[in-house]
Amino acid sequence: DADVTQTPRNRITKTGKRIMLECSQTKGHDRMYWYRQDPGLGLRLIYYSFDVKDINKGEISDGYSVSRQAQAKFSLSLESAIPNQTALYFCATSDSQGGYEKLFFGSGTQLSVL
Amino acid sequence: AQSVTQPDIHITVSEGASLELRCNYSYGATPYLFWYVQSPGQGLQLLLKYFSGDTLVQGIKGFEAEFKRSQSSFNLRKPSVHWSDAAEYFCAVARIPGNQFYFGTGTSLTVIP
Repeated sequence: DADVTQTPRNRITKTGKRIMLECSQTKGHDRMYWYRQDPGLGLRLIYYSFDVKDINKGEISDGYSVSRQAQAKFSLSLESAIPNQTALYFCATSDSQGGYEKLFFGSGTQLSVL
Repeated sequence: AQSVTQPDIHITVSEGASLELRCNYSYGATPYLFWYVQSPGQGLQLLLKYFSGDTLVQGIKGFEAEFKRSQSSFNLRKPSVHWSDAAEYFCAVARIPGNQFYFGTGTSLTVIP
Protein backbone atom coordinates (compact mmCIF):
# COMPACT_ATOMS: atom_id res chain seq x y z
CA ASP A 1 0.00 0.00 0.00
CA ALA A 2 1.12 3.51 -0.75
CA ASP A 3 2.43 5.59 2.15
CA VAL A 4 0.63 8.72 0.91
CA THR A 5 -2.76 8.03 -0.65
CA GLN A 6 -4.81 10.53 -2.57
CA THR A 7 -8.44 10.07 -3.53
CA PRO A 8 -9.84 10.30 -6.10
CA ARG A 9 -7.16 9.75 -8.75
CA ASN A 10 -9.24 11.57 -11.34
CA ARG A 11 -12.22 13.87 -11.06
CA ILE A 12 -14.28 15.81 -13.54
CA THR A 13 -16.61 18.45 -12.18
CA LYS A 14 -18.56 21.47 -13.32
CA THR A 15 -18.01 25.14 -12.63
CA GLY A 16 -19.50 26.20 -9.33
CA LYS A 17 -19.49 22.78 -7.73
CA ARG A 18 -17.89 22.11 -4.37
CA ILE A 19 -15.28 19.40 -4.43
CA MET A 20 -13.02 17.78 -1.88
CA LEU A 21 -9.74 16.04 -2.48
CA GLU A 22 -8.54 13.74 0.25
CA CYS A 23 -5.11 12.71 1.41
CA SER A 24 -4.15 10.15 4.00
CA GLN A 25 -0.75 8.93 5.08
CA THR A 26 0.62 5.99 6.99
CA LYS A 27 4.11 7.40 7.45
CA GLY A 28 3.38 8.99 10.81
CA HIS A 29 4.64 12.34 9.58
CA ASP A 30 3.49 15.52 11.25
CA ARG A 31 3.73 17.85 8.25
CA MET A 32 1.41 17.74 5.25
CA TYR A 33 1.15 19.85 2.12
CA TRP A 34 -1.04 20.44 -0.89
CA TYR A 35 0.53 21.43 -4.20
CA ARG A 36 -0.88 21.96 -7.65
CA GLN A 37 1.05 21.26 -10.82
CA ASP A 38 0.37 23.09 -14.05
CA PRO A 39 2.28 22.62 -17.31
CA GLY A 40 5.09 25.14 -17.52
CA LEU A 41 4.54 26.36 -13.96
CA GLY A 42 5.92 23.49 -11.91
CA LEU A 43 4.53 22.84 -8.45
CA ARG A 44 3.01 25.61 -6.39
CA LEU A 45 2.16 25.37 -2.74
CA ILE A 46 -1.51 25.82 -1.84
CA TYR A 47 -1.62 25.08 1.90
CA TYR A 48 0.52 23.35 4.47
CA SER A 49 0.04 22.07 7.98
CA PHE A 50 2.73 21.37 10.55
CA ASP A 51 0.36 19.62 12.94
CA VAL A 52 -3.35 19.14 13.51
CA LYS A 53 -3.84 22.63 14.94
CA ASP A 54 -1.57 24.42 12.50
CA ILE A 55 -2.75 25.48 9.04
CA ASN A 56 -0.86 27.89 6.80
CA LYS A 57 -1.51 29.47 3.44
CA GLY A 58 0.92 28.85 0.64
CA GLU A 59 1.57 30.79 -2.54
CA ILE A 60 -1.85 30.28 -4.14
CA SER A 61 -4.47 29.66 -1.45
CA ASP A 62 -7.26 31.80 -2.93
CA GLY A 63 -10.26 29.67 -3.85
CA TYR A 64 -9.12 26.76 -1.70
CA SER A 65 -9.58 25.65 1.89
CA VAL A 66 -8.15 22.76 3.87
CA SER A 67 -8.94 20.66 6.87
CA ARG A 68 -6.52 18.62 8.97
CA GLN A 69 -8.91 16.12 10.46
CA ALA A 70 -6.19 14.06 12.10
CA GLN A 71 -2.44 13.76 11.89
CA ALA A 72 -2.87 11.31 9.06
CA LYS A 73 -5.54 13.15 7.06
CA PHE A 74 -5.41 16.43 5.19
CA SER A 75 -8.18 17.36 2.77
CA LEU A 76 -8.33 20.13 0.19
CA SER A 77 -11.62 21.75 -0.77
CA LEU A 78 -12.62 23.89 -3.69
CA GLU A 79 -15.70 25.74 -2.48
CA SER A 80 -16.83 26.79 -5.94
CA ALA A 81 -14.71 25.23 -8.65
CA ILE A 82 -13.66 27.28 -11.67
CA PRO A 83 -11.98 26.13 -14.90
CA ASN A 84 -8.57 27.60 -14.06
CA GLN A 85 -8.42 25.23 -11.11
CA THR A 86 -8.01 22.41 -13.59
CA ALA A 87 -4.66 20.93 -12.61
CA LEU A 88 -2.83 17.97 -11.14
CA TYR A 89 -2.95 18.14 -7.35
CA PHE A 90 -0.38 16.53 -5.10
CA CYS A 91 -0.40 15.87 -1.40
CA ALA A 92 2.96 15.52 0.33
CA THR A 93 4.25 14.81 3.81
CA SER A 94 7.43 15.37 5.74
CA ASP A 95 8.72 14.51 9.18
CA SER A 96 10.00 17.29 11.41
CA GLN A 97 11.80 14.77 13.60
CA GLY A 98 13.56 12.58 11.12
CA GLY A 99 14.73 14.55 8.14
CA TYR A 100 11.94 16.96 7.58
CA GLU A 101 13.59 18.29 4.52
CA LYS A 102 12.43 15.34 2.47
CA LEU A 103 8.96 15.42 0.95
CA PHE A 104 7.02 12.25 0.24
CA PHE A 105 4.40 12.64 -2.47
CA GLY A 106 1.16 10.93 -3.28
CA SER A 107 0.41 9.88 -6.84
CA GLY A 108 -1.71 12.92 -7.54
CA THR A 109 -5.31 13.79 -8.35
CA GLN A 110 -6.09 15.02 -11.83
CA LEU A 111 -8.94 17.52 -11.54
CA SER A 112 -10.81 18.90 -14.53
CA VAL A 113 -13.31 21.71 -14.08
CA LEU A 114 -15.62 22.17 -17.05
CA ALA B 1 12.01 35.98 -2.20
CA GLN B 2 12.99 32.51 -3.16
CA SER B 3 12.84 31.34 -6.75
CA VAL B 4 14.12 28.54 -8.88
CA THR B 5 14.76 28.67 -12.62
CA GLN B 6 15.11 25.68 -14.87
CA PRO B 7 15.93 27.18 -18.27
CA ASP B 8 15.44 23.99 -20.28
CA ILE B 9 11.81 22.97 -20.73
CA HIS B 10 12.65 19.82 -22.65
CA ILE B 11 15.85 17.89 -23.34
CA THR B 12 16.42 14.90 -25.59
CA VAL B 13 19.47 12.69 -25.20
CA SER B 14 20.57 9.37 -26.62
CA GLU B 15 20.79 6.38 -24.34
CA GLY B 16 24.32 6.11 -23.00
CA ALA B 17 25.06 9.79 -23.47
CA SER B 18 25.84 12.15 -20.62
CA LEU B 19 23.22 14.46 -19.17
CA GLU B 20 23.24 17.83 -17.48
CA LEU B 21 20.07 19.58 -16.32
CA ARG B 22 20.42 23.18 -15.28
CA CYS B 23 19.05 24.86 -12.20
CA ASN B 24 19.58 28.39 -10.94
CA TYR B 25 18.20 29.68 -7.68
CA SER B 26 17.61 32.95 -5.96
CA TYR B 27 17.75 32.89 -2.21
CA GLY B 28 18.91 35.33 0.42
CA ALA B 29 20.55 32.84 2.75
CA THR B 30 22.34 29.53 2.55
CA PRO B 31 20.10 27.47 0.32
CA TYR B 32 18.81 24.00 0.87
CA LEU B 33 18.66 22.52 -2.62
CA PHE B 34 16.98 19.44 -4.00
CA TRP B 35 16.37 17.54 -7.19
CA TYR B 36 13.17 15.52 -7.55
CA VAL B 37 12.12 13.22 -10.36
CA GLN B 38 8.58 12.55 -11.51
CA SER B 39 7.87 9.47 -13.58
CA PRO B 40 4.68 9.43 -15.66
CA GLY B 41 1.59 9.06 -13.49
CA GLN B 42 3.59 9.22 -10.30
CA GLY B 43 4.35 11.65 -7.55
CA LEU B 44 7.77 13.18 -7.09
CA GLN B 45 10.70 11.24 -5.68
CA LEU B 46 13.79 12.78 -4.11
CA LEU B 47 16.98 12.22 -6.13
CA LEU B 48 19.42 14.15 -3.97
CA LYS B 49 19.82 17.13 -1.69
CA TYR B 50 22.41 19.68 -0.64
CA PHE B 51 22.54 21.39 2.71
CA SER B 52 26.21 22.10 3.36
CA GLY B 53 29.65 20.60 3.07
CA ASP B 54 30.95 18.96 -0.06
CA THR B 55 29.54 20.81 -3.03
CA LEU B 56 29.30 17.66 -5.14
CA VAL B 57 26.50 15.46 -3.88
CA GLN B 58 25.60 11.97 -4.94
CA GLY B 59 22.05 10.75 -5.26
CA ILE B 60 20.09 7.71 -6.23
CA LYS B 61 20.06 6.12 -9.68
CA GLY B 62 23.59 7.32 -10.47
CA PHE B 63 22.76 11.04 -10.41
CA GLU B 64 24.95 13.74 -8.94
CA ALA B 65 24.67 17.49 -8.59
CA GLU B 66 27.15 20.25 -7.97
CA PHE B 67 26.43 23.35 -5.93
CA LYS B 68 28.19 26.47 -7.22
CA ARG B 69 27.53 29.43 -4.99
CA SER B 70 29.25 31.90 -7.33
CA GLN B 71 26.88 30.95 -10.12
CA SER B 72 23.81 30.32 -7.93
CA SER B 73 23.51 27.00 -9.65
CA PHE B 74 22.78 23.42 -8.71
CA ASN B 75 23.02 21.41 -11.93
CA LEU B 76 22.10 17.75 -12.11
CA ARG B 77 24.34 15.33 -14.00
CA LYS B 78 24.52 11.72 -15.00
CA PRO B 79 27.45 10.21 -16.94
CA SER B 80 25.39 7.68 -18.92
CA VAL B 81 21.65 7.96 -19.33
CA HIS B 82 19.37 4.93 -19.35
CA TRP B 83 16.01 4.72 -21.09
CA SER B 84 14.34 4.47 -17.68
CA ASP B 85 15.60 7.97 -16.82
CA ALA B 86 12.96 9.50 -19.10
CA ALA B 87 10.88 11.61 -16.73
CA GLU B 88 10.24 15.15 -15.50
CA TYR B 89 12.93 16.62 -13.26
CA PHE B 90 12.33 19.37 -10.75
CA CYS B 91 14.83 21.49 -8.90
CA ALA B 92 13.68 22.93 -5.58
CA VAL B 93 14.93 25.27 -2.90
CA ALA B 94 13.70 25.20 0.66
CA ARG B 95 13.55 27.64 3.47
CA ILE B 96 14.42 25.70 6.62
CA PRO B 97 13.24 26.03 9.29
CA GLY B 98 9.79 26.63 7.93
CA ASN B 99 9.99 23.81 5.46
CA GLN B 100 8.53 25.71 2.55
CA PHE B 101 9.70 24.30 -0.72
CA TYR B 102 9.81 26.27 -3.97
CA PHE B 103 9.94 24.27 -7.15
CA GLY B 104 11.21 25.12 -10.60
CA THR B 105 9.03 24.64 -13.65
CA GLY B 106 10.63 21.32 -14.48
CA THR B 107 12.66 19.83 -17.33
CA SER B 108 11.19 17.00 -19.34
CA LEU B 109 13.78 14.41 -20.39
CA THR B 110 13.33 12.18 -23.41
CA VAL B 111 15.79 9.34 -23.98
CA ILE B 112 16.11 7.96 -27.49
CA PRO B 113 17.60 4.54 -28.31
